[in-house]
Amino acid sequence: SQQGEEDPQALSIQEGENATMNCSYKTSINNLQWYRQNSGRGLVHLILIRSNEREKHSGRLRVTLDTSKKSSSLLITASRAADTASYFCAGGSSNYQLIWGAGTKLIIKP
Amino acid sequence: KAGVTQTPRYLIKTRGQQVTLSCSPISGHRSVSWYQQTPGQGLQFLFEYFSETQRNKGNFPGRFSGRQFSNSRSEMNVSTLELGDSALYLCASSIAPGGGNQPQHFGDGTRLSIL
Repeated sequence: SQQGEEDPQALSIQEGENATMNCSYKTSINNLQWYRQNSGRGLVHLILIRSNEREKHSGRLRVTLDTSKKSSSLLITASRAADTASYFCAGGSSNYQLIWGAGTKLIIKP
Repeated sequence: KAGVTQTPRYLIKTRGQQVTLSCSPISGHRSVSWYQQTPGQGLQFLFEYFSETQRNKGNFPGRFSGRQFSNSRSEMNVSTLELGDSALYLCASSIAPGGGNQPQHFGDGTRLSIL
């Protein structure tokens, strides 16, 4: 079973709009990672934020981490059709296994 | 640099059979992790290998096993296949062990269907 949860489960927006996905987790983590998965493909690592960081940027991606609330958010600005994919968060724990959420399915409408 | 390569991409088996899946990590990566992905259970960790040794194991029955060779290539085997084993099996590699503390590089997976 999943130990992390993404919210919403599905999100459909117009191209050019911003997309925000949230992730909550239950255990203590050393870092929080976000991945993207296109249909039928493997996961692609997007960004890693460590537990002592609060915000991190990479291109059109902005990730925040609130360890007191055990939550993270991923913001994709100026969305494009190519951003259509499922997005997963994964918490890095002290026992070295990534703890995965169930994913948010993002659809960008042209 | 070539990415993580998984073979075969698709596989159809029947209940009771066994199957072996292969994973070649990125050159220089010595850690290989295996995951099972299903619509109902999401991404589930199977095991991690580093330097031919299993470092971590998820909560799967003994029918699921794996090994890693000296060139870091890894195989996973599933015996006595059940309908519930139908899934996308993903392999991920990283430079060092401790998959939870560094980015994982994934292959495109093997889609296993059990009839």
